[in-house]
Amino acid sequence: GQQLNQSPQSMFIQEGEDVSMNCTSSSIFNTWLWYKQDPGEGPVLLIALYKAGELTSNGRLTAQFGITRKDSFLNISASIPSDVGIYFCAGRIQGAQKLVFGQGTRLTINP
Amino acid sequence: NAGVTQTPKFQVLKTGQSMTLQCAQDMNHEYMSWYRQDPGMGLRLIHYSVGAGITDQGEVPNGYNVSRSTTEDFPLRLLSAAPSQTSVYFCASSSSRADTQYFGPGTRLTVL
Repeated sequence: GQQLNQSPQSMFIQEGEDVSMNCTSSSIFNTWLWYKQDPGEGPVLLIALYKAGELTSNGRLTAQFGITRKDSFLNISASIPSDVGIYFCAGRIQGAQKLVFGQGTRLTINP
Repeated sequence: NAGVTQTPKFQVLKTGQSMTLQCAQDMNHEYMSWYRQDPGMGLRLIHYSVGAGITDQGEVPNGYNVSRSTTEDFPLRLLSAAPSQTSVYFCASSSSRADTQYFGPGTRLTVL
């Protein structure tokens, strides 16, 4: 089936640092989504992207829909302790009725 | 407005037992889905439904059954539990297609 390659798998950073992660696919996607999962909870939608080249922000988070439609990027600026968690990308191919998820990026922040 | 609710939160089964994981949403969403989450595997789609009376298989449907008799409810049934079904199960819903899905809190299932 379809696969999304998300990297890095884990990140260990200092509080205040900026964070970058990305997802790539061999297929063209019509929608890219970024979710965050806190321990013991379900994923929560952070940002949704619908057009190639689109750049969308949500507070300190910024995500981009890659121009080739085969990738997406998420940046977190000035990280704080509550940013800790697992970040998932997800995408939908045109006409498909289901999302495909990346394997997740586990973010750990040292205070 | 409770969003997506799932019950139970935790469950332990013996191999061969059956059970139903419940999922309900109060947002009048047409699209509902079930995922399982295993370490290092992300979220994998089990079954999904685009509306009442319509269901379809996802990536890992074997061993699971679903039905959608109402817009609000989308139960997941394990007919004969196996240790390989030990996982965390998430239900999700969205207003259209599969975009912007909202997730429930999950059910942590252990099969001994």
